[in-house]
Amino acid sequence: DIQMTQSPPVLSASVGDRVTLSCKASQNINKNLDWYQQKHGEAPKLLIYYTNNLQTGIPSRFSGSGSGTDYTLTISSLQPEDVATYYCYQYNSGWTFGGGTKLELK
Amino acid sequence: QVQLQQSGAELAKPGSSVKISCKASGYTFTSYYISWIKQTTGQGLEYIGYINTGSGGTNYNEKFKGKATLTVDKSSSTAFMQLSSLTPDDSAVYYCAAMGIFDYWGQGVMVTVSS
Repeated sequence: DIQMTQSPPVLSASVGDRVTLSCKASQNINKNLDWYQQKHGEAPKLLIYYTNNLQTGIPSRFSGSGSGTDYTLTISSLQPEDVATYYCYQYNSGWTFGGGTKLELK
Repeated sequence: QVQLQQSGAELAKPGSSVKISCKASGYTFTSYYISWIKQTTGQGLEYIGYINTGSGGTNYNEKFKGKATLTVDKSSSTAFMQLSSLTPDDSAVYYCAAMGIFDYWGQGVMVTVSS
């Protein structure tokens, strides 16, 4: 099974900060990775698909990158509405979510 | 508008089964697979499996084989997940979703297993 490790588990940042969330796979997942945002009490929402493709309707401050085993979600300028937990999700071999990064405002 | 409407919360006893429904509306039901996802505080998000809403074919995460059974009723545009031989570890919120670029999710169903 492929394991997905997200870091950090909790991230505190200020409005306007550039924020980087990391996701590491236990083996090469060939860019078959999506990023989801989950706000409290809501279902997850797709932000980025296939590593670096912005889902329709998602603000352009969100971007994704990576290859092989290492992937990154970047928020270029943090907004208050970005407070949420972020999950990476691989579908290269089976299906696995990362443990999540909880993003808080400082 | 597109909606996946899930059935209500369930309270079940250990050893019993529950069947959760996910009714789709606002799109052609057979155009997208339905996936099921488990969420707990301890284990986070876990992918259970998906059903091909056109053919009824299924594909399960190994961990959930024997635990979850996915079915579909095309006539009512509804997908179902039955969870069997329930234990307290099955207590969770369960989502149905049309994942991928289409990306629509149900509101989640809380299943509580307790004697």
